[in-house]
Amino acid sequence: DQQVKQNSPSLSVQEGRISILNCDYTNSMFDYFLWYKKYPAEGPTFLISISSIKDKNEDGRFTVFLNKSAKHLSLHIVPSQPGDSAVYFCAASVETGNQFYFGTGTSLTVIP
Amino acid sequence: DAGITQSPRHKVTETGTPVTLRCHQTENHRYMYWYRQDPGHGLRLIHYSYGVKDTDKGEVSDGYSVSRSKTEDFLLTLESATSSQTSVYFCAIRSRDNSPLHFGNGTRLTVT
Repeated sequence: DQQVKQNSPSLSVQEGRISILNCDYTNSMFDYFLWYKKYPAEGPTFLISISSIKDKNEDGRFTVFLNKSAKHLSLHIVPSQPGDSAVYFCAASVETGNQFYFGTGTSLTVIP
Repeated sequence: DAGITQSPRHKVTETGTPVTLRCHQTENHRYMYWYRQDPGHGLRLIHYSYGVKDTDKGEVSDGYSVSRSKTEDFLLTLESATSSQTSVYFCAIRSRDNSPLHFGNGTRLTVT
């Protein structure tokens, strides 16, 4: 059973606007969450993470929000750029654990 | 670049043949992982290692074995390849708890 879910397979956004990618999880033991970006024929690249002791973490144009009560996290990209077009995966784990669980990915297209 | 090399990058093999994929790291990281990526499934953990000769199973370990005789190398073996093992395989490394995974560029395996 999928413990991490990304329910939107694709998203299109105009350049300069905000992109919001969503992720839900079912395991309440998860306390470490990550976002990865993947271009075709490359491995996933780490973008940003958040620990469950926080509800927000920012890194430049990327912000991750965590809502523990809803078991929901989101990635905001502002402003969106054509180079952001890629597949985005969310992942979750227990901080002291070894296994990371990934969602199925959301393909983001930023339209110039 | 995270100092991870996967070999081969592409392989075509026949059903029933053994196949070994190699992951080599230059970061001296403790943890190493093998994931497979399939459409509709995202990234799924096959096996991981938390030290030399210390390995454990992931979500989709059936049909796969691993070995780690040196810190820098983590081998994934398909003892008798099946068409359902056609996939893209990613190796990842991690330095310590509370740190993200860093991925190699993948091996595309086709089993005919």
